[in-house]
Amino acid sequence: GESVGLHLPTLSVQEGDNSIINCAYSNSASDYFIWYKQESGKGPQFIIDIRSNMDKRQGQRVTVLLNKTVKHLSLQIAATQPGDSAVYFCAENGSNTGKLIFGQGTTLQVKP
Amino acid sequence: EAGVTQFPSHSVIEKGQTVTLRCDPISGHDNLYWYRRVMGKEIKFLLHFVKESKQDESGMPNNRFLAERTGGTYSTLKVQPAELEDSGVYFCASSQGLGLYEQYFGPGTRLTVT
Repeated sequence: GESVGLHLPTLSVQEGDNSIINCAYSNSASDYFIWYKQESGKGPQFIIDIRSNMDKRQGQRVTVLLNKTVKHLSLQIAATQPGDSAVYFCAENGSNTGKLIFGQGTTLQVKP
Repeated sequence: EAGVTQFPSHSVIEKGQTVTLRCDPISGHDNLYWYRRVMGKEIKFLLHFVKESKQDESGMPNNRFLAERTGGTYSTLKVQPAELEDSGVYFCASSQGLGLYEQYFGPGTRLTVT
């Protein structure tokens, strides 16, 4: 069946460093991917998305990379700040329906 | 513009009791979704409404769960009778359309079944 997974449950980085959060997916037909950030007490919040016809997309301090060959997705956060501390989820919406398939989440801890 | 709201924010009930969760989507969003996250695992899809109709309920765990969206506005998710494994955070989301349309999530309802 379909699954979307993350490599590490927890990532600890120093403030100011760059963070890289990884995600692997199994459905080679997946064509749309989203990264969400969930802060304590809040629901998941959209960060950035990418379609399968792209391999890189940049936002403000964030970059998503997609490697379709190895079915791997990553989120890069530049100059990580304390406000970036949260749980990060990758999600896939491969069938153009509303159903999102989430990975397990990586907790990002930013050390001052 | 108000976001997706959910009520209650927390609920603690005993096994065998009934709980009803409510979700108010963003005004004008025909698509409403329920998800849940159990014990720190991934967020899992439960079901999807388009207006008042159930478009996809493939994620509903069993017949103890009943979702409704009468009138196509707010939605309720009833768990009856609740079991210990139902504990988790239940999220509601809404979107204007499907596919590339962003899903906006509510803050969630944390359900604890003791």
